[in-house]
Amino acid sequence: SQKIEQNSEALNIQEGKTATLTCNYTNYSPAYLQWYRQDPGRGPVFLLLIRENEKEKRKERLKVTFDTTLKQSLFHITASQPADSATYLCALYSSASKIIFGSGTRLSIRP
Amino acid sequence: GAGVSQSPRYKVAKRGQDVALRCDPISGHVSLFWYQQALGQGPEFLTYFQNEAQLDKSGLPSDRFFAERPEGSVSTLKIQRTQQEDSAVYLCASSPAGVNEQFFGPGTRLTVL
Repeated sequence: SQKIEQNSEALNIQEGKTATLTCNYTNYSPAYLQWYRQDPGRGPVFLLLIRENEKEKRKERLKVTFDTTLKQSLFHITASQPADSATYLCALYSSASKIIFGSGTRLSIRP
Repeated sequence: GAGVSQSPRYKVAKRGQDVALRCDPISGHVSLFWYQQALGQGPEFLTYFQNEAQLDKSGLPSDRFFAERPEGSVSTLKIQRTQQEDSAVYLCASSPAGVNEQFFGPGTRLTVL
């Protein structure tokens, strides 16, 4: 069956370090993959989109990689700050399916 | 320049009641999506509109769920004869076109007693 898996447990990172979140998928051939941030009581906020023919995308302190062979995307936040604490969602879109979200990874950055 | 708005923000319904949830997308956005989000889970797709046409409703969990967007802007998600398992946050999102970057509303938290 089709599945998307994100880091199953919350991630705790020391301020200033790089946080790396993982999104693995099976039985999809996604046209592109998106990452969103969600704070408690709010809707998700779009961060980055990466297409199947792109290996890496950057935006300020954020970097996303997309490995279609490994069926994996990595999301990096460099020089992490307490304000980066939130739940991060990956989402896939392929021509055969709607946009499918993972269950999210809760990231906590401690001062 | 307002974003996506949803109303009400919170709704408590007794089991068996009908509810209507409203979404005001960003002006000019062609695509509109509804999602259901359970606690601790990611959003699950319910349905998708392009202008007034409902192009995909495969995620609606039962025939008690109905969505419309009659004039291609505001959308309403209606749930008839609510049941406890309908309790969730219902998110609306819009995008300029297709399934690219989506702009989400704050959601409506529905609690069915």
